[in-house]
Amino acid sequence: RKEVEQDPGPFNVPEGATVAFNCTYSNSASQSFFWYRQDCRKEPKLLMSVYSSGNEDGRFTAQLNRASQYISLLIRDSKLSDSATYLCAVNTGGFKTIFGAGTRLFVKA
Amino acid sequence: GAVVSQHPSWVICKSGTSVKIECRSLDFQATTMFWYRQFPKQSLMLMATSNEGSKATYEQGVEKDKFLINHASLTLSTLTVTSAHPEDSSFYICSAPNPQAAGYGYTFGSGTRLTVV
Repeated sequence: RKEVEQDPGPFNVPEGATVAFNCTYSNSASQSFFWYRQDCRKEPKLLMSVYSSGNEDGRFTAQLNRASQYISLLIRDSKLSDSATYLCAVNTGGFKTIFGAGTRLFVKA
Repeated sequence: GAVVSQHPSWVICKSGTSVKIECRSLDFQATTMFWYRQFPKQSLMLMATSNEGSKATYEQGVEKDKFLINHASLTLSTLTVTSAHPEDSSFYICSAPNPQAAGYGYTFGSGTRLTVV
């Protein structure tokens, strides 16, 4: 079993739709959690950190469920510019971070 | 703030040659730098962790004699792919803990696309 698993997608959604991604992790001692966005042939960019209490940044909401060992990302009112690959990342201690394989999102007009 | 500059952005080299990739933290000190490799449509795979002033730590299956890592200062880490072969063609990217991001977010370099012919 991979340490961090994501549904690879792709998710094809119309503009304005709400879309949710899930990510599971296997190491129960994991300490920090993140969502990154990666555009084609570019480096990942930090989208948001994920906290136990859940956190929201505009149209993006991230949640963490430690008991079930998964994190989620919800995107509301999807825009064309949201089309990208979304990577979840889990810090397993120290600075070591493991990335999921990413979920591809296509938002269409 | 918290920028990591990586170059070259892309490089084409012949089989058997060596390629050096540099990553510099521009406005912060990076005592630790992570090196990843990403094949098309695949995840970022951690290759090694470089630490300023000490030997790098390599992940299982990564040849330390082939992928030489040097962390000469608090702002510079280099990865040298020695005796490159076509199967080494990939996207190589570095990252450093972002001191400005809560919860240990990371800042990535812009990546180096290596093609070995």
